Amino acid sequence: GAVVSQHPSRVICKSGTSVKIECRSLDFQATTMFWYRQFPKQSLMLMATSNEGSKATYEQGVEKDKFLINHASLTLSTLTVTSAHPEDSSFYICSAEGSYNEQFFGPGTRLTVL
Amino acid sequence: RKEVEQDPGPFNVPEGATVAFNCTYSNSASQSFFWYRQDCRKEPKLLMSVYSSGNEDGRFTAQLNRASQYISLLIRDSKLSDSATYLCVVILGGSYIPTFGRGTSLIVHP
Repeated sequence: GAVVSQHPSRVICKSGTSVKIECRSLDFQATTMFWYRQFPKQSLMLMATSNEGSKATYEQGVEKDKFLINHASLTLSTLTVTSAHPEDSSFYICSAEGSYNEQFFGPGTRLTVL
Repeated sequence: RKEVEQDPGPFNVPEGATVAFNCTYSNSASQSFFWYRQDCRKEPKLLMSVYSSGNEDGRFTAQLNRASQYISLLIRDSKLSDSATYLCVVILGGSYIPTFGRGTSLIVHP
């Protein structure tokens, strides 16, 4: 149980393109999901908390108009990187919260912006 | 002071060794504690939750010391496949926001 999927696993796009990443909890419902970014050899950085049916809560320094989050159902949250630039290239990981505050992570999406 | 601190390592140990990592947290109101394992270029995977009374899962033992505000992870009889980065995660009481340590790198060699 507690499986989280992410799609796509890898995306390469041109600068200025918008990229949508989906995060799904496959066998449980998640009121709360989290989006992280991780640069090589660095720790996970929390970007935002996604709550089903309400606006996401963004961490300091994360532009909400740049990283659009939608959590329309208890099993799906999406992150859209708008007008992506090379500096947005990173490993984006989502997680869904379990019943005891544990995090179940998706496999991540590796974004490369040319 | 960082909210959650870990020795980044790397800890370089031979197969069969016992190795222990500590993770300190600054907020005494912290309520939930976890250890995760992350392999290179992969997502973190939950290794074990950490309970007040301590808990064991096979070769892995996790303990919580509230007085000194740290959690520990002990790995016995290390295997080559244990090589990874071990992340500790702390959640404040009343909050659901996880705070990650930077991770401790373990390298188990033959």
